[in-house]
Amino acid sequence: EIVLTQSPGTLSLSPGERATLSCRASQSVSSSYLAWYQQKPGQAPRLLIYGASTRATGIPDRFSGSGSGTDFTLTISRLEPEDFAVYCCQHYGSSPPSTFGQGTKLEIK
Amino acid sequence: QVQLVESGGGVVQPGRSLRLSCAASGFTFSTYAIHWVRQAPGKGLEWVAVISYDGSNKYYADSVRGRFTISRDNFENTLYLQMNSLRAEDTAVYYCARGYCSGGNCMNDYWGQGTLVTVSS
Repeated sequence: EIVLTQSPGTLSLSPGERATLSCRASQSVSSSYLAWYQQKPGQAPRLLIYGASTRATGIPDRFSGSGSGTDFTLTISRLEPEDFAVYCCQHYGSSPPSTFGQGTKLEIK
Repeated sequence: QVQLVESGGGVVQPGRSLRLSCAASGFTFSTYAIHWVRQAPGKGLEWVAVISYDGSNKYYADSVRGRFTISRDNFENTLYLQMNSLRAEDTAVYYCARGYCSGGNCMNDYWGQGTLVTVSS
């Protein structure tokens, strides 16, 4: 069973700064099945990135994803006030069909 | 536009049952796999179950297998989650999410707003 470990647990940054979030898989996974979601308090998750690096419809280009194998990264180039939220990676796999990381909370410093 | 609307949550005693529904609209429901994902208070997302587009294949997380049953009605465009033998640790917001695969990539592209299930005596 694939386990996704995200780091850091909490990231404190200021608007305008660059955020780098990590998602590490316990074994190599296909980039095609690696996605990132943003979740704000009281809201459902929102798809940001799929296929490890492709932005979902309507997602600003300050969000980018990269990585392969076991190491994946979500980067937000210049933080906007609305970007402070929890970010979660997902492996959409086969056994089990889906696994989520525990999330990284991005908070205002 | 794609919409998923969950209902059926509430407060239930341990050991009792509850059935959640997820009403879909804005897309051809019968051609998509649909997932249930839950989130305990203050915790991360936990995948619960998935059902294939035609209902022929179903998969469950170890934590719910044997107690929860996922099903769908493609005529009514509705997904269900029958939850039996509920435990305190099943307390969570339950989301339904569409499974979408395109160009070799797979993801949950649309999510409902969630319904809260509280298991407490």
